[in-house]
Amino acid sequence: LAKTTQPISMDSYEGQEVNITCSHNNIATNDYITWYQQFPSQGPRFIIQGYKTKVTNEVASLFIPADRKSSTLSLPRVSLSDTAVYYCLVGDSGNDMRFGAGTRLTVKP
Amino acid sequence: EAEVAQSPRYKITEKSQAVAFWCDPISGHATLYWYRQILGQGPELLVQFQDESVVDDSQLPKDRFSAERLKGVDSTLKIQPAELGDSAMYLCASSLGRMSGEQYFGPGTRLTVT
Repeated sequence: LAKTTQPISMDSYEGQEVNITCSHNNIATNDYITWYQQFPSQGPRFIIQGYKTKVTNEVASLFIPADRKSSTLSLPRVSLSDTAVYYCLVGDSGNDMRFGAGTRLTVKP
Repeated sequence: EAEVAQSPRYKITEKSQAVAFWCDPISGHATLYWYRQILGQGPELLVQFQDESVVDDSQLPKDRFSAERLKGVDSTLKIQPAELGDSAMYLCASSLGRMSGEQYFGPGTRLTVT
């Protein structure tokens, strides 16, 4: 099981771009990188998944360097409603991925 | 949009009592997960099913916890007897297959043991 390291918390302001970096030095060849978002008293919600380079969807972008030892979740122009905990998971299947403590993002007006 | 259903949403029980949680995954999802989330921490995987079979229950405290998915559809997680330390959010998630990293979570059951 690849271990991940993320900042415990981050602050930002509305309208700014937020980048959350996750370190996963022992990522395996078959592992994917997956990010989830969780609001208080709700279950986590899938945001994005990638293997290498860059992946973009309507919510976020995921940047993965060539060595894949880290990844960066980019949230463009955040709003107050983006205040949540963001989790980075690494693994090749559902039971291979583990949630860590996540990054608590606070967006201020 | 299809959702994972869980009940009850909230449960208060006394220690040493039995408690059960129910989960109905998204139709067609073969893989089902039960997680426990203590306040301030990330979800911890308790058990994973592929259809009706247990794939991973390495983190399930088997002396008091049990889980079943008899027909490969809905699932029940039981705790007997409940202990004070079991107070947590119990989350159910499902995915199309065990290789899928995209899991769909239900709203959870908030358990308080007194």
